[in-house]
Amino acid sequence: SQQGEEDPQALSIQEGENATMNCSYKTSINNLQWYRQNSGRGLVHLILIRSNEREKHSGRLRVTLDTSKKSSSLLITASRAADTASYFCATVNYGGSQGNLIFGKGTKLSVKP
Amino acid sequence: EAGVAQSPRYKIIEKRQSVAFWCNPISGHATLYWYQQILGQGPKLLIQFQNNGVVDDSQLPKDRFSAERLKGVDSTLKIQPAKLEDSAVYLCASSLVRGPWGGYTFGSGTRLTVV
Repeated sequence: SQQGEEDPQALSIQEGENATMNCSYKTSINNLQWYRQNSGRGLVHLILIRSNEREKHSGRLRVTLDTSKKSSSLLITASRAADTASYFCATVNYGGSQGNLIFGKGTKLSVKP
Repeated sequence: EAGVAQSPRYKIIEKRQSVAFWCNPISGHATLYWYQQILGQGPKLLIQFQNNGVVDDSQLPKDRFSAERLKGVDSTLKIQPAKLEDSAVYLCASSLVRGPWGGYTFGSGTRLTVV
């Protein structure tokens, strides 16, 4: 089954720096979603970008989507210690019979104060 | 609005024992999902309900796992008998829109340890 793959697997930055995470997928999608998971907690939906969109913003988050390269990136600007978490991209097969979110393995972000 | 409620938060059992997890989705969310997340991996879908009907259980190990959603609200996921490889976090999620065309709301999960 299709699965997004995040890169890098782990990222460590200083507070105030920007963090960029990438996601690659294999087949055509209807939309791509990003989620955050704090240690020991459930996932929190951050942003959804549709296949006909190229860029989307939400607060300090910026997501881009390049369907020709089958990739997406999540940029967190001016990072804070509270942004420390794992970030997952999730994809949906376009035209799937039911369509379900399929998650990658995630990028573990550590923001040091 | 209240979030997705799950219980218990933690459970430790011996292999071959049985265990059950409970989930109460957000009010009005007709679609409910159970995911399994093994340490260091992304969540993997086990089963999806639309109201009280199953719409996708293709990845549910039906020889040992079962799930139900009576009255289209609460749901329980059961494992019987448990194996060591079932150690994972079991996440419940719900969505207002059927299918992945909008964001899912996840509960905090149940961490299962099988010893």
